[in-house]
Amino acid sequence: AQSVTQLDSHVSVSEGTPVLLRCNYSSSYSPSLFWYVQHPNKGLQLLLKYTSAATLVKGINGFEAEFKKSETSFHLTKPSAHMSDAAEYFCVVSEGGNKLVFGAGTILRVKS
Amino acid sequence: ETGVTQTPRHLVMGMTNKKSLKCEQHLGHNAMYWYKQSAKKPLELMFVYSLEERVENNSVPSRFSPECPNSSHLFLHLHTLQPEDSALYLCASSQSRESNQPQHFGDGTRLSIL
Repeated sequence: AQSVTQLDSHVSVSEGTPVLLRCNYSSSYSPSLFWYVQHPNKGLQLLLKYTSAATLVKGINGFEAEFKKSETSFHLTKPSAHMSDAAEYFCVVSEGGNKLVFGAGTILRVKS
Repeated sequence: ETGVTQTPRHLVMGMTNKKSLKCEQHLGHNAMYWYKQSAKKPLELMFVYSLEERVENNSVPSRFSPECPNSSHLFLHLHTLQPEDSALYLCASSQSRESNQPQHFGDGTRLSIL
């Protein structure tokens, strides 16, 4: 079975500084990986996806993630945090039949 | 994101009530999903429909009954719920059930059981 581990439950950064949200996955084959963001009282919004093309994936709002097979990682980064980035972020792996396995989530706090 | 619309946004019901949650997608997708999001727990997949046929039921209690009358609409009928069923219920859709197809989520229905 596939699994996802988000290494930090909470991350706090200052506005204008880089963001790093860490994710490790376990998969028996080449996975499809996603990052979603959830703002309070909202559903999940797709940030980016990896589906065995380029290992560096660019998403919306300046986010990107790098797929590293040797490290089984898919960390999410952004060069400069904005106040509007404060939310909960989910790393997700897709099993067969498009069954999504979610990480526990990382709450990002952005300080002014 | 207005591609997937869920109603109502909030619902408070007693344990003996019967109510339904509605989901509508305007994306032309062929697969639809129900998820449960509880505090302090990862999202749990409840049901999967593909081309209006239920293809997955993740050991969900029978007090939750899904219905998919067409590829654009999905319902979750609720009856005799328990307090532990209080959660955010999210609907999602995808073009197909291929693993590389991202799912698009609605804003959810916040359900509170008294």
